[in-house]
Amino acid sequence: GQNIDQPTEMTATEGAIVQINCTYQTSGFNGLFWYQQHAGEAPTFLSYNVLDGLEEKGRFSSFLSRSKGYSYLLLKELQMKDSASYLCAVLDSNYQLIWGAGTKLIIKP
Amino acid sequence: GAVVSQHPSRVICKSGTSVKIECRSLDFQATTMFWYRQFPKQSLMLMATSNEGSKATYEQGVEKDKFLINHASLTLSTLTVTSAHPEDSSFYICSARLAGESGELFFGEGSRLTVL
Repeated sequence: GQNIDQPTEMTATEGAIVQINCTYQTSGFNGLFWYQQHAGEAPTFLSYNVLDGLEEKGRFSSFLSRSKGYSYLLLKELQMKDSASYLCAVLDSNYQLIWGAGTKLIIKP
Repeated sequence: GAVVSQHPSRVICKSGTSVKIECRSLDFQATTMFWYRQFPKQSLMLMATSNEGSKATYEQGVEKDKFLINHASLTLSTLTVTSAHPEDSSFYICSARLAGESGELFFGEGSRLTVL
């Protein structure tokens, strides 16, 4: 079966750094997405990785290791507005998105 | 970036009525649109894949006669919840996929349906 695992909830302090991990087992791989979702709103695109390595975009970075079926989202200089759920999703061989359950990130002052 | 507009953002209806939700790609053409449903504190669940000019592909467990999807043009897909019941109350979100290798998805704002 297809499976995406990520922690249910994480807590971090304003100004700090947090890493949200995602492991996946899917039938084929055509890329991995990270989305941010605030409560009651639609998800917004953060990053897309299809090749191994680190993609940096401002305060957010995303890493992928295809051989390990592993990705992480790194958030630096945390702000209170970063409190949200972070969704990991993988495009499988049929280009269907397989979603993780999301990681709820709580930022404390 | 590409913009997807979803309307209405909130709708309240009586049990037994039908509700239509529109999803439009404003500045790009989307041959494929996706409809998701999200219940409180749960992840997004794909309901169906909508392809322009053809019938939608529904996920297992989703009633195609209850959730009617029409993708009549490259910029518009509609989801009609027919004979809505309170258990259909949920957050419905559409997304459209950019053509190209990344297949990046852009999401609408979501529609919160409350069935009384």
